[in-house]
Amino acid sequence: DADVTQTPRNRITKTGKRIMLECSQTKGHDRMYWYRQDPGLGLRLIYYSFDVKDINKGEISDGYSVSRQAQAKFSLSLESAIPNQTALYFCATSDPGQGADGYTFGSGTRLTVV
Amino acid sequence: RKEVEQDPGPFNVPEGATVAFNCTYSNSASQSFFWYRQDCRKEPKLLMSVYSSGNEDGRFTAQLNRASQYISLLIRDSKLSDSATYLCVVNIGDTDKLIFGTGTRLQVFP
Repeated sequence: DADVTQTPRNRITKTGKRIMLECSQTKGHDRMYWYRQDPGLGLRLIYYSFDVKDINKGEISDGYSVSRQAQAKFSLSLESAIPNQTALYFCATSDPGQGADGYTFGSGTRLTVV
Repeated sequence: RKEVEQDPGPFNVPEGATVAFNCTYSNSASQSFFWYRQDCRKEPKLLMSVYSSGNEDGRFTAQLNRASQYISLLIRDSKLSDSATYLCVVNIGDTDKLIFGTGTRLQVFP
């Protein structure tokens, strides 16, 4: 099993629908992240959590919410999806103080909003 | 101005060629630097960290110039399997938040 698992892998949804992207990890890391990737724009941070009781907005949090249900689970929700939220979404965990060396990414969720 | 800037490419090079990618960062508080590789529609994977003294890993050499806020990646003897997008990444201060460049696409042809 992957260390960081994202579900679903692909999703097509309609404008205005609520959708949740799920992320679970077996790394035992406290820190978890949600990134979004658009063509030509690299990865941008949506939300991050340094422990179960700590949630922080990233660079592009508008239109998104998150829930840290447990150390191992971090979900991203789009309350009312819109077409410009069509993107590739990555969840990641990190080991504190290790920088990128301690990062583990999930395989991504490709979301299309029509 | 983007925090991390890269030439998007694509760089089209023949097998065996040497190719260099450059990256500039704007935040002088940046402390750690990395190159990631990303294959199409896959997650990014750490290629190498970049140290102040420069470092080498096989055919890959990374350099950092803090004064100019500039990072480079050199790939020697390019292989077809090197075809991918290379992301320049910085870590600011003592946080674990990574700031990604937009990536440079490399296509190696036979």
